[in-house]
Amino acid sequence: NAGVMQNPRHLVRRRGQEARLRCSPMKGHSHVYWYRQLPEEGLKFMVYLQKENIIDESGMPKERFSAEFPKEGPSILRIQQVVRGDSAAYFCASSPTIGQGENIQYFGAGTRLSVL
Amino acid sequence: AQSVSQHNHHVILSEAASLELGCNYSYGGTVNLFWYVQYPGQHLQLLLKYFSGDPLVKGIKGFEAEFIKSKFSFNLRKPSVQWSDTAEYFCAVIFGGYQKVTFGIGTKLQVIP
Repeated sequence: NAGVMQNPRHLVRRRGQEARLRCSPMKGHSHVYWYRQLPEEGLKFMVYLQKENIIDESGMPKERFSAEFPKEGPSILRIQQVVRGDSAAYFCASSPTIGQGENIQYFGAGTRLSVL
Repeated sequence: AQSVSQHNHHVILSEAASLELGCNYSYGGTVNLFWYVQYPGQHLQLLLKYFSGDPLVKGIKGFEAEFIKSKFSFNLRKPSVQWSDTAEYFCAVIFGGYQKVTFGIGTKLQVIP
């Protein structure tokens, strides 16, 4: 009964490189959320996806950031041309289909991105 | 604007002391309320939740929280903390049935043996 799986746990990139963060939701969950935790700050919502659809991306920076949740495979958060300010912990959460219970989000262990 | 406030950013207690962590939110409509805990090096775990019904909710590991609608508060309590409760605690709110969770800044709890 695996939980939300994120990989890699730690990712180091140089400025200008691309970062790809992966998230596999819990079995049976069709909703995925990405959050970012900057040092000394709480988690901030970035994007909410269902399979093949972006539902709410109001927390995503307008440039360089994108997310997808394809029909097959994990959800991907992609950061192009990383800058030092992108260094943070990125958490993924998943929840069951709406209407099949309370909307409880289960979190992965996070990916810690360090930009050199 | 909708927001979540946690009053204490860093709390230090001795074992067996009582704990109360404050959480307030700003929103006049329906809310779903949560407390999550993050132990060092681990992922966020759900401690307890409130959706409806009895405003006093009990969670895992002896934690409880009380929703006071008139005060827009959802404070976390534990009568007697243990060293193993050392962690960071996040209050979180879903506003108005939307899906995204808004988190407070977190409270780091350190329990001294």
